Amino acid sequence: GNSVTQMEGPVTLSEEAFLTINCTYTATGYPSLFWYVQYPGEGLQLLLKATKADDKGSNKGFEATYRKETTSFHLEKGSVQVSDSAVYFCALRNLNTGRRALTFGSGTRLQVQP
Amino acid sequence: KAGVTQTPRYLIKTRGQQVTLSCSPISGHRSVSWYQQTPGQGLQFLFEYFSETQRNKGNFPGRFSGRQFSNSRSEMNVSTLELGDSALYLCANGGTGVMGGQPQHFGDGTRLSIL
Repeated sequence: GNSVTQMEGPVTLSEEAFLTINCTYTATGYPSLFWYVQYPGEGLQLLLKATKADDKGSNKGFEATYRKETTSFHLEKGSVQVSDSAVYFCALRNLNTGRRALTFGSGTRLQVQP
Repeated sequence: KAGVTQTPRYLIKTRGQQVTLSCSPISGHRSVSWYQQTPGQGLQFLFEYFSETQRNKGNFPGRFSGRQFSNSRSEMNVSTLELGDSALYLCANGGTGVMGGQPQHFGDGTRLSIL
C-alpha cells in the first residue's frame, strides 16, 4: 500500500537558518507528491506539489524535488522566519491504485525562534 | 485565505449521540473530501464527493456517512458516537476542473469532543 514517512519533530531553528524536513514514500507507480502546512488553529494549506520524477515544486521560498530513485520529497527553505512556525505534512496521491485520497505523513512541527 | 467554511467550529457530544458536520467549498469547486485528524492516527481519509456522488471512501465504519448537495455543500454524519471519535474533522475542496484535482484548500475544521 501507500505510505509516507516524515522526520519526527519538533524541529527548532533560529531565524534565517536553513530548513530541511525529510520525507520518503512507498507507493507503486508514480504518485503525485505534496507538502501541506497547518498553522495553529487552522486547517491545512497546500504549500507545493510535484507530479512526476525530477519535478521541483516551489512556493513562498520553500522547495521540494521529486526523487524517484530515492523515493523522497524533502522540503527545504534557505532562510526561515518566525512566521514559518507551523506543522508541515508530506502527502501523496496515487491514482495508479484508483484511489484519489491523500495519504499523509505524521507531520513535522517547526518552531522558529527570533 | 481559502474560503472553505466548516460549521460548527466546536462541538461537544456524549457517547451514543449522533452529529452532523457541514462544509461549504469555495464557489465553483465541485469536489469535497473529508479527513479525520487525531494525535494518535494523524490524518485519515473519510470520503470524497464530486457532483453529489461519493467517489471514494476510507476505512471507517458505517457509522460515518456523508452526502453532497447540488450546490456542492457537503455534510458528514456520525451516529452512535464513541469516545474515539473525538477529533478534528477537516473538509477540503479540489480544483474546478472536470475531475476536481487534489485537495487544495482545507477549512479550519470542526473539533468534535465526545464526553
